[in-house]
Amino acid sequence: SAVISQKPSRDICQRGTSLTIQCQVDSQVTMMFWYRQQPGQSLTLIATANQGSEATYESGFVIDKFPISRPNLTFSTLTVSNMSPEDSSIYLCSVGVMTGELFFGEGSRLTVL
Amino acid sequence: QKEVEQDPGPLSVPEGAIVSLNCTYSNSAFQYFMWYRQYSRKGPELLMYTYSSGNKEDGRFTAQVDKSSKYISLFIRDSQPSDSATYLCAMSAYNTDKLIFGTGTRLQVFP
Repeated sequence: SAVISQKPSRDICQRGTSLTIQCQVDSQVTMMFWYRQQPGQSLTLIATANQGSEATYESGFVIDKFPISRPNLTFSTLTVSNMSPEDSSIYLCSVGVMTGELFFGEGSRLTVL
Repeated sequence: QKEVEQDPGPLSVPEGAIVSLNCTYSNSAFQYFMWYRQYSRKGPELLMYTYSSGNKEDGRFTAQVDKSSKYISLFIRDSQPSDSATYLCAMSAYNTDKLIFGTGTRLQVFP
């Protein structure tokens, strides 16, 4: 398994600002993923962040809105840019391991006013 | 049509009951099936992981996959109030990192 720490755990932000969420893993992992969880909806994959390459974004998500960094095998950040109330959600970092299982952080609960 | 369908509940049962949670899916390429448990204000926690069809048991939990019907189930025996959480099914195709999640079923086990 993997222990994943996310910061911040929650934040309240003003419209038009940006917030960067950090994800730290206690072991080296190749695959890291960022998900969004909106009330009453499925977890939706935003992008896959593999170290040494550009993040791969899913349909409906773009790099200008959700820039991602992956400087090493234990750390990643997701920035939510130019926020609007529609961006209010829980953002989750997850890592994949060799067995194919996926482990999640506690999530970052974002409220945009 | 969503790729994965899951009844959102809530499902309310008395302590000691057998709970059945289910998901249906449309993509016949799905090979890996998972169940996650998510407590309020926490991240999802992997409960069960199965490959292809069949059953897998782990303590009070049994995961069942029927690929012919595109139907998966999670059974919880002797349910406890501590089992109260949202249960999410998730699945992926072979040779892909992408997991597709159901919306989750909220379970409440009352004493």
